[in-house]
Amino acid sequence: GIQVEQSPPDLILQEGANSTLRCNFSDSVNNLQWFHQNPWGQLINLFYIPSGTKQNGRLSATTVATERYSLLYISSSQTTDSGVYFCAVCETGGGADGLTFGKGTHLIIQP
Amino acid sequence: NAGVTQTPKFRVLKTGQSMTLLCAQDMNHEYMYWYRQDPGMGLRLIHYSVGEGTTAKGEVPDGYNVSRLKKQNFLLGLESAAPSQTSVYFCASSYIQGKQYFGAGTRLSVL
Repeated sequence: GIQVEQSPPDLILQEGANSTLRCNFSDSVNNLQWFHQNPWGQLINLFYIPSGTKQNGRLSATTVATERYSLLYISSSQTTDSGVYFCAVCETGGGADGLTFGKGTHLIIQP
Repeated sequence: NAGVTQTPKFRVLKTGQSMTLLCAQDMNHEYMYWYRQDPGMGLRLIHYSVGEGTTAKGEVPDGYNVSRLKKQNFLLGLESAAPSQTSVYFCASSYIQGKQYFGAGTRLSVL
């Protein structure tokens, strides 16, 4: 099956800093989503972005499907941005319609 | 509009006991999914459904059964619980291969 690798695995930043999280995947995809899991365990869908660029406030994401990677940008970090960020994909023609998740990037924003 | 609701939120079972987890969504989504999340891991797909009366296996289906008798509900059953099934279980729903919305999770311990 498709492999999803996220980097870095851990990231500690000061409040106000910017960050870039990367997601590499091993095969072509027809679906890519970014999630934030907060410290209470809730999963929030940030972006549905199989290709192109989207922005939502301080967050933006870019997927370059032909090169098999996606980037999540967080600007002017706040302590509430802490948590785990997951990239998840659905392989084109993979036969299953669920998502394959990476292991996540654990982000800590210090005040 | 409650979104995706999972019951129960917590459960402790003894090895060999059975239980059913309930997922309900009020967004009229066609697709529903069950995932499990283990410590330090991303989520893994157990089973999914692309419509009322349909189910399909995901990445880790062994030891679980599912049913989708009504469009808004997706049930996950454990017939004979094992310690390896200790995990956090998440349900999600979406339009056809669209953005997935997650419930708050069920934390299950099997002793």
